[in-house]
Amino acid sequence: AQSVTQLGSHVSVSEGALVLLRCNYSSSVPPYLFWYVQYPNQGLQLLLKYTTGATLVKGINGFEAEFKKSETSFHLTKPSAHMSDAAEYFCAVSGLTSGGSYIPTFGRGTSLIVHP
Amino acid sequence: EAGVTQFPSHSVIEKGQTVTLRCDPISGHDNLYWYRRVMGKEIKFLLHFVKESKQDESGMPNNRFLAERTGGTYSTLKVQPAELEDSGVYFCASSPTRDRASPLHFGNGTRLTVT
Repeated sequence: AQSVTQLGSHVSVSEGALVLLRCNYSSSVPPYLFWYVQYPNQGLQLLLKYTTGATLVKGINGFEAEFKKSETSFHLTKPSAHMSDAAEYFCAVSGLTSGGSYIPTFGRGTSLIVHP
Repeated sequence: EAGVTQFPSHSVIEKGQTVTLRCDPISGHDNLYWYRRVMGKEIKFLLHFVKESKQDESGMPNNRFLAERTGGTYSTLKVQPAELEDSGVYFCASSPTRDRASPLHFGNGTRLTVT
């Protein structure tokens, strides 16, 4: 079984400040991890993913995440927030369902609010 | 390429009525998924099609929900009869492979409100 916990349903930062969105996972197998972003009135789109290899993963729009096995974490960061980063962010871990499909299991999401 | 398309974008129905949601995946994507998000909660898996076959429907909440994918192209999700707790956003997603590392491509969702 697998699960994801996203700490903080809302995170508020000032434009230009560091963005840190937290994600902890649980997985019975080596995890494949994803961050998706949902802008208002749009579907989810992939920001970045970790499968194997390098633990620091770079994604689109200046975001990156680091896989830390010892901490079971996959936190998302961006050095300097932009107004256009305001959106909802979802962490996900790929796992096997009882029906035999590999599908991502999502967290509850974190809304990022960026103040001017 | 055209993205995943869902119709309608919003639907408001009364308890006991029937609603049918439609999803058109990206052309050539054999794998189609339905998810649901109840307000403030996780996005939860409902089912997975590979072409026209139901690969996995372990997430379907009960037998009031019926999903089909005729001819392996578009899919429909019918709720009959709808209950208040069925309200939420229904997402469809597709992918070209079943590879564990393959990301899903999502539609914009259908917001269903049952009153």
